[in-house]
Amino acid sequence: KAGVTQTPRYLIKTRGQQVTLSCSPISGHRSVSWYQQTPGQGLQFLFEYFSETQRNKGNFPGRFSGRQFSNSRSEMNVSTLELGDSALYLCASSLKVGGDEQYFGPGTRLTVT
Amino acid sequence: GNSVTQMEGPVTLSEEAFLTINCTYTATGYPSLFWYVQYPGEGLQLLLKATKADDKGSNKGFEATYRKETTSFHLEKGSVQVSDSAVYFCALVQGGSEKLVFGKGMKLTVNP
Repeated sequence: KAGVTQTPRYLIKTRGQQVTLSCSPISGHRSVSWYQQTPGQGLQFLFEYFSETQRNKGNFPGRFSGRQFSNSRSEMNVSTLELGDSALYLCASSLKVGGDEQYFGPGTRLTVT
Repeated sequence: GNSVTQMEGPVTLSEEAFLTINCTYTATGYPSLFWYVQYPGEGLQLLLKATKADDKGSNKGFEATYRKETTSFHLEKGSVQVSDSAVYFCALVQGGSEKLVFGKGMKLTVNP
């Protein structure tokens, strides 16, 4: 069974631009969560989706948004990029919600210049 | 709110040394506890988990026991290998959510 895939793996953007990252969960998994990893703040929760509904959201500004499609694939979008948005963005999927094991993708490394 | 505190390191050990990484948590109720490992340039991999008090998670020679009385989930391995060099994260999830709360991670380097 294929694992969680994320595209693109690497991305370089300029301040003020916007970016869309994509995540395809493991087949059959309906829950997708997103995390931001930085050296300073560590791993921080962005949001989670289940059956196309956002169930939970972390403490990030409204510039960060996401969505989930009917096939469980998810995208996250960051608008008006700032230098501080440079990070590894990780997506995780699980079969169901509620403490189940989450399987992480390799991440998208976003660099904002 | 929920939080996880773990040893941050970095830690350098010789091959076959004993490893302990301390992890304590703060949570209301009964969270599920996890250890994740991140190898260089990769995402996180689930190493082991425990979902209730006194459960012991184990995998690849690593073990951790869910101790409710001390709110701890310390990771141990009796004999580390060079291939265990990675960053280790303790985490919890609670309350019907998928929101993992992570510790800051500990970088382990094992030398031959």
